[in-house]
Amino acid sequence: QVTLRESGPALVKPTQTLTLTCTFSGFSLSTSGMCVSWVRQPPGKALEWLALIDWDDDKYYSTSLKTRLTISKDTSKNQVVLTMTNMDPVDTATYYCARHCRYDAFDIWGQGTMVTVSS
Amino acid sequence: DIQMTQSPSSLSASVGDRVTITCRASQSISSYLNWYQQKPGKAPKLLIYAASSLQSGVPSRFSGSGSGTDFTLTISSLQPEDFATYYCQQSYSTPSITFGQGTRLEIK
Repeated sequence: QVTLRESGPALVKPTQTLTLTCTFSGFSLSTSGMCVSWVRQPPGKALEWLALIDWDDDKYYSTSLKTRLTISKDTSKNQVVLTMTNMDPVDTATYYCARHCRYDAFDIWGQGTMVTVSS
Repeated sequence: DIQMTQSPSSLSASVGDRVTITCRASQSISSYLNWYQQKPGKAPKLLIYAASSLQSGVPSRFSGSGSGTDFTLTISSLQPEDFATYYCQQSYSTPSITFGQGTRLEIK
């Protein structure tokens, strides 16, 4: 059974750095073609893709957020970590990680973690 | 980035109705189009991948069609559990993945 679970702080202050961890099971990020992406959703708004890391450790970022994002993986721990710097209240959202293969749909999602940015 | 535009943004329908949601891409994306259902407080759930393939476990009343720039999601006979928000997503320009703005399906 494939599962993903996001974890991280529920509240961060403006200008702080957010670190989120996606812990997964049931698949290996070493498998050729495998990817994990991060997606966020502000309250009442649409989904926004943020970043992707693939089996070959290639990393890709949203054009609009690339200067603030870093994605990494720890294959031995089955984890993918996303950091976002200089947090702002507009970054308040539910953050999801999801599994997919390149060019394919996101077939399994985590349950999401809500992050509020407020002083 | 490829822009994805869904229509309508919201829709009211009754149980048993046939419903169609449209998604248009700003450029051709072949068949790299996926549909998700999201219920309040829940993660999105994959319904249709590659424009017309039904994800395992998804009821057959859901279907998808289209290629190039124009795509549709059809629910043949609405059930109470289908009232949710639906999103299209293009994976053609991976890693620059984009979603539509969503279509909220409400009970009439």
